[in-house]
Amino acid sequence: SQTIHQWPATLVQPVGSPLSLECTVEGTSNPNLYWYRQAAGRGLQLLFYSVGIGQISSEVPQNLSASRPQDRQFILSSKKLLLSDSGFYLCAWSRGATYEQYFGPGTRLTVT
Amino acid sequence: GNSVTQMEGPVTLSEEAFLTINCTYTATGYPSLFWYVQYPGEGLQLLLKATKADDKGSNKGFEATYRKETTSFHLEKGSVQVSDSAVYFCAPTWGRSGGSNYKLTFGKGTLLTVNP
Repeated sequence: SQTIHQWPATLVQPVGSPLSLECTVEGTSNPNLYWYRQAAGRGLQLLFYSVGIGQISSEVPQNLSASRPQDRQFILSSKKLLLSDSGFYLCAWSRGATYEQYFGPGTRLTVT
Repeated sequence: GNSVTQMEGPVTLSEEAFLTINCTYTATGYPSLFWYVQYPGEGLQLLLKATKADDKGSNKGFEATYRKETTSFHLEKGSVQVSDSAVYFCAPTWGRSGGSNYKLTFGKGTLLTVNP
């Protein structure tokens, strides 16, 4: 069976510090991978998606970047965090030929 | 462009009450339709889906029917429980031209609270 991991689970970082959130998927190969942010108020915003190693598409201009160094690893980064980067970050994966997305447990980021 | 409109709530019900959460979409073509559920502090879980017109998705007592004529996918449950308290997201998905990368468009979510 497939599993998706995210870490850390929670993170408190000062403004201006760097960020690295990691997501890994087990039990499948060549998944589509996604990063979402969920700010207060519950809505989901798609940040990045990837259909393969080194292939990253950005949905909105922002202070964040993403990388996919391995087939089942997806990393969300920032060089300098802003207060507005606080939120709940969710990673998800899907198979290429089906539509459902499967979500990780999320990372709660608080920028102080 | 493609979009989804979901009843925002919050919705507060007593245990065993009937639930309806409305979801409509605007689109060219025919998306696959999903409902996701998010329990407090957790990621999203797929609740049910329907991939073509008149399909009915069902799971855990929840149901939703793909209505092409009204472009809707309303979520229903006949008798809610306290454990159903969560945020519910409607999510149509359309295929991107030229590839197999399907992108979900999420509604804003509906917070459901069920009181004993």
